[in-house]
Amino acid sequence: GEDVEQSLFLSVREGDSSVINCTYTDSSSTYLYWYKQEPGAGLQLLTYIFSNMDMKQDQRLTVLLNKKDKHLSLRIADTQTGDSAIYFCAETSNSGYSTLTFGKGTMLLVSP
Amino acid sequence: KAGVTQTPRYLIKTRGQQVTLSCSPISGHRSVSWYQQTPGQGLQFLFEYFSETQRNKGNFPGRFSGRQFSNSRSEMNVSTLELGDSALYLCASSLNGGQGNEQYFGPGTRLTVT
Repeated sequence: GEDVEQSLFLSVREGDSSVINCTYTDSSSTYLYWYKQEPGAGLQLLTYIFSNMDMKQDQRLTVLLNKKDKHLSLRIADTQTGDSAIYFCAETSNSGYSTLTFGKGTMLLVSP
Repeated sequence: KAGVTQTPRYLIKTRGQQVTLSCSPISGHRSVSWYQQTPGQGLQFLFEYFSETQRNKGNFPGRFSGRQFSNSRSEMNVSTLELGDSALYLCASSLNGGQGNEQYFGPGTRLTVT
C-alpha cells in the first residue's frame, strides 16, 4: 500500500537552513508535493517535483528527490520565524488522478 | 483571483445529527476533492468530484457523501454524526483533477461533534 513517512519535529535557529525529510513506498509515485500549514489555516502548496527530476529550486526552497531510495527532502534556506509551521509531504500515484497521500507532517519551529 | 472558500468555518453538532459543508473552488477549476484531517489519522482523502460526478473515493463509510453542482461548487454531507467525525474538513480544487494538477486548499471547516 501507499505510505508516506516524515519525522515529526524539527527545531532550528533563525538564519540557519532547515531540511525536512520524507520517505515514500509507492514506486509508481509520479508527483511529490510539499505543503505548509499554519495554525488554524488550510494547506498552502509550496512546491512540487515530477518523479523524473532529481532537483527543483524555487527561491529559498530546494527539493531533492532520490527516486532509488524513495527519499524526498525540502531545504529552506535562511529560515525565518515566519516559516514556523507544519510541513506535509504528499504524493500522487500512477492512477491518473491527483489524489494526494500525505505524510503525518513535520512541525518546524524556528527560534530567534 | 479568489481562492478556495469553505463555509461554514466552524460547526458544532451533536451525535446523531447530520451536517452539510460547502466548498467553492477557484474560478475555472472543475475538480474538487475533500480531505479529513484529524490528529490521530492525519490527512485522509474522502472523495473527488469532476463535472458533477464522483470520480474517486477514499475508504470512508457511506455516511460520508458529497455532490457537485454545475458551477463546480461542491458539498459534502455526513449523516448520523459520531464523536470520531470531529475533524478539520478541507476541500481542494484543481483544473481537472489529473496527475500533476496543482491542488489548492481552502481554509477548512472545523467540525466538533459533542
